This record gives sequence, structure tokens and C-alpha cells, in this order.
Amino acid sequence: NAGVTQTPKFQVLKTGQSMTLQCAQDMNHNSMYWYRQDPGMGLRLIYYSASEGTTDKGEVPNGYNVSRLNKREFSLRLESAAPSQTSVYFCASRGGQGEGYTFGSGTRLTVV
Amino acid sequence: GDSVTQMEGPVTLSEEAFLTINCTYTATGYPSLFWYVQYPGEGLQLLLKATKADDKGSNKGFEATYRKETTSFHLEKGSVQVSDSAVYFCALSGGGSYIPTFGRGTSLIVHP
Repeated sequence: NAGVTQTPKFQVLKTGQSMTLQCAQDMNHNSMYWYRQDPGMGLRLIYYSASEGTTDKGEVPNGYNVSRLNKREFSLRLESAAPSQTSVYFCASRGGQGEGYTFGSGTRLTVV
Repeated sequence: GDSVTQMEGPVTLSEEAFLTINCTYTATGYPSLFWYVQYPGEGLQLLLKATKADDKGSNKGFEATYRKETTSFHLEKGSVQVSDSAVYFCALSGGGSYIPTFGRGTSLIVHP
């Protein structure tokens, strides 16, 4: 089925460990996004990529890096995980300005 | 900057009751407006959208009308079901920005 695929679905890290969250879409969308969702905070944009080859910071980029590997894939890296990065992370993509987002099912990350 | 304001929840209703979730926005230009739904443990799904003033978006019995004069996009459903229990997000995008704006979300709880 067409959509956005995120891996892994669950992850537990120790403080200071690193990891990469993977995201891939098969809808030929230009724009891709990484959000985190925390209770009472709604969705907060971490990074986005308007098109292949470009990335930009969102509202809460500190502690994260991203790579737009190709048009399909957009990964999010935590270089040194901190407990404050415990959250649910969502990847999303969009085809054009008037189109809605398609979201992945999320990665539930716990940093201990 | 652009902003979206939703009514705070939770909204608690009995099955077959009428639902309204209020959403107002501020934006430059003529944005597209969206409602998303998030079921427990899942990512957001696009529920409906409207791309210009007076457009009505509809899906699964839900409706919302783009009201430019009141800068509103209220979500309505005539008869809710227990399966409609979820968190609903109002969002806008447009004006040349690649960064959509989301409301904080409104939790809906429907009792049998």
C-alpha cells in the first residue's frame, strides 16, 4: 500500500547513545517532515525537506540531524540521546501546497 | 505568523450526539485548511480539506466549511459513534510556506 513507512516502531536508548530513525515514502512526494509529539505540546516540527537535496530547521532542531538521502528517504539522527528526547516521532510527506500530509505510524522512543 | 486555535478538550459526548469542534485561524494570503484525525497509537490521517473560501470538505460523515469572513473551519458531525473517539487536529498550509501550521488537537470521547 502507498504511504509513509517508519522504522523502528519502538526503541529504548540509554543516555548518550546514538540512533537513526528511518522514513521512506512511495508517493513521489517532494516535501518530507519530521515531527515530535509530546503530551500537551501538540506536534512540533524538528526538520523538513522541501525537495530532494534541501533540508531546513524547524521549531525544535537542537540535538537532531537529518539526511534527505533521495526523493524517497528522509532520516533523522540523534547523535547523543537525552531523556528530553523521549517522545513519539512522526515522519510525513506532502506532494504539493494544497495537498494534505501523509503521516507514518510513528516511532516511540524512550531515552533512559 | 500563521496560527491555528482549536477548542480545548476533552469533548465528551454520548453516541448519536451532534459534534462541533471549533477551529479558527490567522494567516497571510489564502491558505488551504485541513482536519486530521489521530486514533490511539497511530499517526495522523487526513480527514478532510478545503482549498478556498466557501468550500466544504466532507468525509465519513464529518464536514467543515472554509469561512473566510470569520476565519474559521469548524468540524461537525451529525451523529457520532464510539469509533469516532480520537484526537482531531485542525491545520493550515499555504502562502508560499512549506511549513504547515497545526492546532494543539482536541480529544473526543464518545460513550455508548
